[in-house]
Amino acid sequence: EVHLVESGGGLVKPGGSLRLSCAASEFTFSTYPMNWVRQAPGKGLEWVSSISGSSRFIYYADAVKGRFTISRDNAKNSLYLEMNSLRAEDTGIYYCARDLDPQNYFYGMDVWGQGTTVTVSS
Amino acid sequence: QSALTQPASVSGSPGQSITISCTGTSSDVGTYSLVSWYQHHPGKAPKLMICEDTRRPSGVSNRFSGSKSGNTASLTISGLQAEDEADYFCCSYAGTDTPYVFGTGTKVTVI
Repeated sequence: EVHLVESGGGLVKPGGSLRLSCAASEFTFSTYPMNWVRQAPGKGLEWVSSISGSSRFIYYADAVKGRFTISRDNAKNSLYLEMNSLRAEDTGIYYCARDLDPQNYFYGMDVWGQGTTVTVSS
Repeated sequence: QSALTQPASVSGSPGQSITISCTGTSSDVGTYSLVSWYQHHPGKAPKLMICEDTRRPSGVSNRFSGSKSGNTASLTISGLQAEDEADYFCCSYAGTDTPYVFGTGTKVTVI
């Protein structure tokens, strides 16, 4: 069964850093664009970042641009999100999600992990 | 890029049909046929219900259908069931600067 498992969340002080990981299994990871989506407490889903299969194309939401870095290691079937200069408003559940169509970007996200929780607080 | 606008809540009785709207702009919903809908039970992974405005992925019940007119997309749930009670989010492609923009979310209650 196609599977995504996030890890790396935790409690961090404002201004601190965290690195999230997402382990993929049972599909050809390298061919699919991947995404990070977050949900703040009591709020809706918010797209954070996307990366193409080859890492050639990378996109960020304005709210995280310059602070977060998305990357992937196709040999390890893994997606990452390096988060620096964290703020209270970055608190939430972070999901990794697979793009639906490897040939056509941004058609939707068909496989999601269960999420990892990030809390930014002093 | 602002979030797409959805009603905060929609409710219906078992067996009824409900429709959730998702209003964007000519920069996203109105230009691209790339609206997707997600069902989210708190504590679980979101589930893709509709993609490309109207296409239902394999395995999704045919009680769920998508449509679009101008800058507004809609998700209709027919034959409402207790298990449909969840949060629903629309999402649209919005161009190369901000590829994905989500809706504000709608809580569906089965009364």
